[in-house]
Amino acid sequence: EVQLLESGGGLVQPGGSLRLSCAASGFSFSTYGMNWVRQAPGKGLEWVSTIIDGGGRTYYADSVKGRFTISRDNSKNTLFLQMNSLRAEDTAVYYCAKDFRKNSYDSSSCYPIFDYWGQGTLVTVSS
Amino acid sequence: DIVMTQSPDSLAVSLGERATINCKSSQSVLYRSNNNNYLAWYQQKPGQPPKLLIYWASTRYSGVPDRFSGGGSGTDFTLTISSLQAEDVAVYYCQQYYSTPATFGPGTKVDIK
Repeated sequence: EVQLLESGGGLVQPGGSLRLSCAASGFSFSTYGMNWVRQAPGKGLEWVSTIIDGGGRTYYADSVKGRFTISRDNSKNTLFLQMNSLRAEDTAVYYCAKDFRKNSYDSSSCYPIFDYWGQGTLVTVSS
Repeated sequence: DIVMTQSPDSLAVSLGERATINCKSSQSVLYRSNNNNYLAWYQQKPGQPPKLLIYWASTRYSGVPDRFSGGGSGTDFTLTISSLQAEDVAVYYCQQYYSTPATFGPGTKVDIK
């Protein structure tokens, strides 16, 4: 059974930093791209970032580019999101999501379909 | 970025009746080279993460009941629930994966009348 378990959320002041983790199990983690998708309270879904299976290529939404860094440790089946220079508009539930297909990317773009999602971790940016 | 819109914002349907949700993309999400529409649908129930229902615009994901069907091509798509069940009360989102960034529609809330 595929399981994705996020952790690391919490309350942080504007300008602060937070590191989210997503522990994966039940599938061959190192062979799939992984993603972060967020949802502001009462709002819709927003793709944040994707990392390819080997970790050598990453993609970001413009809204977080330069502030957030996605990474993964395939030896520990864990996905990360380092969030710096946090803003109030980053307040959201952050979901870790597995890509449905293998190799759904090229040199400039990624094409994710999200087939498994974690329960999410809430990040609140407020003073 | 490709902008996704959905209509209606919400709808209420009687149990056993048909529910239809529309999704429109600001540009075509049909790849001519493989004739695939890069469009997915998700269901999100209150307090839960989204679940994948449909991909390639019309292919049901594993385990999804056959009362859910997707259609359309190019820029106009539909999600149909042929016979609404109580457990289908949720918000439904379309998503394009034709280009980066992947973008979602604003969601359509489905309730029981």
